[in-house]
Amino acid sequence: AQTIHQWPVAEIKAVGSPLSLGCTIKGKSSPNLYWYWQATGGTLQQLFYSITVGQVESVVQLNLSASRPKDDQFILSTEKLLLSHSGFYLCAWSLGDYYEQYFGPGTRLTVL
Amino acid sequence: QQKVQQSPESLSVPEGGMASLNCTSSDRNFQYFWWYRQHSGEGPKALMSIFSDGDKKEGRFTAHLNKASLHVSLHIRDSQPSDSALYFCAARASSGSWQLIFGSGTQLTVMP
Repeated sequence: AQTIHQWPVAEIKAVGSPLSLGCTIKGKSSPNLYWYWQATGGTLQQLFYSITVGQVESVVQLNLSASRPKDDQFILSTEKLLLSHSGFYLCAWSLGDYYEQYFGPGTRLTVL
Repeated sequence: QQKVQQSPESLSVPEGGMASLNCTSSDRNFQYFWWYRQHSGEGPKALMSIFSDGDKKEGRFTAHLNKASLHVSLHIRDSQPSDSALYFCAARASSGSWQLIFGSGTQLTVMP
């Protein structure tokens, strides 16, 4: 069975500090991977998309970057956090563009 | 203007009742639709997909798609308190884009 793990579960960070969020998918080789951002009670905004190691496409960057260093790993990062970065970050995987996406448990980020 | 709009914003139904959620796209390129459900503090989970005109039934859930009017609906019969969650409609274009566009969401509360 496939499992998706996100770390950390939650973060409280200061404005201007760096950030790194991670996502690992086990049990599925070469999945499509996605990063989403969600304001509290709001809709999901797709941020990044990757179909293979080393390739990442951006939808909305929001002063964030993403990398896929391994087939099963997706990293979201920034060197300088803004207040607007606060929210719920979700990683997801799918078999392809027209398949359902499976979401991880998310990381709650609070920027103060 | 958001490309995928949902109504109502919130909905309360009694336990055992029928919940009806609506979704309208403003982009005729959107041909593929999903319904996702998100319980508080968790990642969303796909309920069902619908790609063809007409009805699609899975257990207590029935989705309806009318491509001519760009309208998708989700009906939940025999609603249970565990159905209380945030429901999203999501749409993808038939070609040329890998983006999945989520609607604004409908908060469903099922009252015991």
